[in-house]
Amino acid sequence: QKEVEQNSGPLSVPEGAIASLNCTYSDRGSQSFFWYRQYSGKSPELIMSIYSNGDKEDGRFTAQLNKASQYVSLLIRDSQPSDSATYLCATYAGGTSYGKLTFGQGTILTVHP
Amino acid sequence: DAGVIQSPRHEVTEMGQEVTLRCKPISGHDYLFWYRQTMMRGLELLIYFNNNVPIDDSGMPEDRFSAKMPNASFSTLKIQPSEPRDSAVYFCASRPTVTDTQYFGPGTRLTVL
Repeated sequence: QKEVEQNSGPLSVPEGAIASLNCTYSDRGSQSFFWYRQYSGKSPELIMSIYSNGDKEDGRFTAQLNKASQYVSLLIRDSQPSDSATYLCATYAGGTSYGKLTFGQGTILTVHP
Repeated sequence: DAGVIQSPRHEVTEMGQEVTLRCKPISGHDYLFWYRQTMMRGLELLIYFNNNVPIDDSGMPEDRFSAKMPNASFSTLKIQPSEPRDSAVYFCASRPTVTDTQYFGPGTRLTVL
């Protein structure tokens, strides 16, 4: 089992819809979770971090964490074509907050007008 | 403040040649990471440094790969000899001790013919 797993997609949603991206992880000790966005040909950039169970909202983005189910999700409301990118889920190995950041394979999101 | 700087941005070389990738982290960041990204394997950590000291090099694929950090503002990743399967995008990232957010450089796209 991979340490961090994501549906590779591609996920296609119409403009204005909610995009839902999912991620599961295998290390029960993981404490910190991150969503990175990567445009084609560019480097990953952090868009959300979450540490506690529940929801965390930032503008159109909401991250959801369920440690019991070892599940992290990212919701993008009012999706825009500019949201089209690959979204990477990541967590630090071994329950630390430093060192090895393990990434999922990424989910390709396409928002069509 | 400038972000993470990497050079060269593109490198095309022939099998068997030595390749050196360079990275300048963000000033004041104590951690430096080298990643490799391919379609097949995704984004994977090769090695990371803390205060110029290599901490975990378990991701380095084989002895052909080596990394150094002679001072706080410079790191190199060397491949000798290079092989076609080393073709990938290599990212350098850095972070300060006080946060767990990693900041990525623009990457070096390496093609080994």
